[in-house]
Amino acid sequence: EVQLVESGGGLVQPGASLKLSCVASGFTFSDYWMSWVRQTPGKTMEWIGDIKYDGSYTNYAPSLKNRFTISRDNAKSTLYLQMSNVRSEDTATYYCTRARMDYWGQGVMVTVSS
Amino acid sequence: DIQMTQSPSSLPASLGDRVTITCRASQDIGNYLRWFQQKPGKSPRLMIYGATNLAAGVPSRFSGSRSGSDYSLTINSLESEDMAIYYCLQHNEYPLTFGSGTKLEIK
Repeated sequence: EVQLVESGGGLVQPGASLKLSCVASGFTFSDYWMSWVRQTPGKTMEWIGDIKYDGSYTNYAPSLKNRFTISRDNAKSTLYLQMSNVRSEDTATYYCTRARMDYWGQGVMVTVSS
Repeated sequence: DIQMTQSPSSLPASLGDRVTITCRASQDIGNYLRWFQQKPGKSPRLMIYGATNLAAGVPSRFSGSRSGSDYSLTINSLESEDMAIYYCLQHNEYPLTFGSGTKLEIK
């Protein structure tokens, strides 16, 4: 059974950094592109970016590429999202997904507030 | 960026109804269109891929179609478990973009 389990969310102050993790199981992690998607409190869905199966290539939403970094550790079957200089508009539920979102994690909430 | 214009935003319907949700792409996306269902408090679930293909485990009352730049998700004989928010996604080119969502609710 494919499982994606995110962690690392919480309350963070504006301007701070935060790193989300997603541990994958039930499939060969190193065979798949992986991506991050977020959903705002108003239910808007936004694609954040993705990473090639070997970690050699990434793509990002243009509005986020200067602050967000996606990486992976295939030995640990773990996907990461490094968020820097966070803003109130980054408040959302963050989902880890496999490939073109055929599987989703349970999501982790990030709240940016002072 | 490719804009996905999804309509309606809200769709009141009765059990047993046939309903259709549509996404219009601002540029050609071929059949690189997916539909997702999100029930309250749950993660999204892939329903349709390649515009017309049913994902594994999805009931046959769901179907996807394409007419030019318009992509539709149709649910035949609506059941209570179908009440959810539905999103389309284009993945023909970066950045990937979602529709704004359709909330399907009981009339």
